[in-house]
Amino acid sequence: DGGITQSPKYLFRKEGQNVTLSCEQNLNHDAMYWYRQDPGQGLRLIYYSQIVNDFQKGDIAEGYSVSREKKESFPLTVTSAQKNPTAFYLCASSSGLAGVPGADTQYFGPGTRLTVL
Amino acid sequence: GQQVMQIPQYQHVQEGEDFTTYCNSSTTLSNIQWYKQRPGGHPVFLIQLVKSGEVKKQKRLTFQFGEAKKNSSLHITATQTTDVGTYFCAGPAVPDNFNKFYFGSGTKLNVKP
Repeated sequence: DGGITQSPKYLFRKEGQNVTLSCEQNLNHDAMYWYRQDPGQGLRLIYYSQIVNDFQKGDIAEGYSVSREKKESFPLTVTSAQKNPTAFYLCASSSGLAGVPGADTQYFGPGTRLTVL
Repeated sequence: GQQVMQIPQYQHVQEGEDFTTYCNSSTTLSNIQWYKQRPGGHPVFLIQLVKSGEVKKQKRLTFQFGEAKKNSSLHITATQTTDVGTYFCAGPAVPDNFNKFYFGSGTKLNVKP
């Protein structure tokens, strides 16, 4: 089945530890995104990548880092510099083909709920 | 910076009543998309509107894109309990980066049977 996978579904970490969230897609999409969602809130963009080896900061990039070494993978590291890391993290992808109808439709993974104790 | 706001933030309706959520962007959007997130789930794509003034229907759902491409609405006729969830509008700004997406704040719909 084609889709986006995120692991793990639930993650607990101690304060001060870095943690890496996995995101893999087999949709052959060029663009990938990371969002953060807090309870009762909308989605806020952390980082996005339009192509391998390139990524851009979103609106709340401070305290996070990403890499895009492979087309299908876009891991997110939540560093100890992130002051309030407890949240629901969503990864998404889109085909990213400029000018093609529907190319920016976002397909989401199931998300990772991170709790920092 | 770019902002996309939705109203209302919450809506509680009796099953069978209609529901409408409104989306307003601070800048022009190249297209508007709507997503639904069920409780505990992830957002799922519903529809995309591209043209100014466009109206699309999906069964009981009617979507509209404003003439200035800065606002949109989603109307549900005769709500059902299966409509429960949070509805988000989203889209890329113009002439901003095609791949940078802005999501609205969402409207959480609760339907009482």
